[in-house]
Amino acid sequence: DAKTTQPDSMESTEGETVHLPCSHATISGNEYIYWYRQVPLQGPEYVTHGLQQNTTNSMAFLAIASDRKSSTLILPHVSLRDAAVYHCILRVFSNTGYQNFYFGKGTSLTVIP
Amino acid sequence: EAAVTQSPRNKVAVTGGKVTLSCNQTNNHNNMYWYRQDTGHGLRLIHYSYGAGSTEKGDIPDGYKASRPSQENFSLILELATPSQTSVYFCASGDVGFPERLFFGHGTKLSVL
Repeated sequence: DAKTTQPDSMESTEGETVHLPCSHATISGNEYIYWYRQVPLQGPEYVTHGLQQNTTNSMAFLAIASDRKSSTLILPHVSLRDAAVYHCILRVFSNTGYQNFYFGKGTSLTVIP
Repeated sequence: EAAVTQSPRNKVAVTGGKVTLSCNQTNNHNNMYWYRQDTGHGLRLIHYSYGAGSTEKGDIPDGYKASRPSQENFSLILELATPSQTSVYFCASGDVGFPERLFFGHGTKLSVL
């Protein structure tokens, strides 16, 4: 079962602010939310992560709902270089030491000049 | 900058043949991972390792073996390749910061005919 749900695709115009949504309704208290992005012929690249509080870095702003069941990656003033597939991921821990990053299918972001 | 190198970049194999995918990291990270990426799915975890000499099963280990002979190297082995294993395979290493971040290679495109 998918742990995260994202729209398949979104489109934006250069210079706009983009809001990429992700639903993770079954998230547990110790599971971190990560976002990675991926361009063709390359592996995913780290964007940001969070647990409960909103976070910001040079790449993006991550808004996490107060119940943690959803999050939104906000990309300010997008450029053509921001066109990519954006993956919303949960990092799962277990008492047995098992750990995994559960990737969703990702949202393909198209940026129009 | 973290560096994860995969070889080969492309591989064509015959059904029933043995395939070895190699991964080398120069980050001195303890954790390493093998994922596969298929259309319609997010990245799925095959095997992972906590350090030299250790290998652990991920979510979809059937038909795959892994080997971690050193801190730097992590291999994925398909003893008897099947067409269903046609996919793009990504290796990643994980830093020791908490929470962990993954650094991915460029991927290996494997076609089993």
